[in-house]
Amino acid sequence: DAGVTQSPTHLIKTRGQQVTLRCSPKSGHDTVSWYQQALGQGPQFIFQYYEEEERQRGNFPDRFSGHQFPNYSSELNVNALLLGDSALYLCASSHPTGVQNYGYTFGSGTRLTVV
Amino acid sequence: AQKVTQAQTEISVVEKEDVTLDCVYETRDTTYYLFWYKQPPSGELVFLIRRNSFDEQNEISGRYSWNFQKSTSSFNFTITASQVVDSAVYFCALSEPGGSYIPTFGRGTSLIVHP
Repeated sequence: DAGVTQSPTHLIKTRGQQVTLRCSPKSGHDTVSWYQQALGQGPQFIFQYYEEEERQRGNFPDRFSGHQFPNYSSELNVNALLLGDSALYLCASSHPTGVQNYGYTFGSGTRLTVV
Repeated sequence: AQKVTQAQTEISVVEKEDVTLDCVYETRDTTYYLFWYKQPPSGELVFLIRRNSFDEQNEISGRYSWNFQKSTSSFNFTITASQVVDSAVYFCALSEPGGSYIPTFGRGTSLIVHP
């Protein structure tokens, strides 16, 4: 049973560019959340998608946007990249009965470096 | 104010020593969930345990044990007879209805186990 898969694993972009990160949730999960983890910090919540809509959003600017597809996979888009966007981006999926009961399953992340 | 505080940034031990990782949380909700995750160098957050606020029983799983004390808002994690493979960053997280059950993570504790 595949867990959460993310692509690409590593990415180098230039300041000002745009980037798209992809995530496939664990089989049977329908909710996808994205986190940003800067070096030496804990994961910070970006947003959560359910039924193809953004359900919750953390304290991130509009440069961060996302999408969820009918097969529950998701994309994270970041526009006008800043050096401070360099981080590990983690995708997490959760069970339909709710994260409060089962917690999240995380992918291995995409390491984004902005130069 | 931080919702989840992991005061220990880094702990270094020698193999076979016991080690306790501290976690203090803050919430106004009476129903909430606490988690511990392990993050090895590969980056993936590995789920270790979930505890709901109504269950204060301590739990033991092999060399791992958890001490949940509502009176002090703490959820500490002990590894008995540590091994080199335990080297990782460990995160404590809080999920509460006031936060729409979106897990909030602490800053993590880096555990280094020397042979």
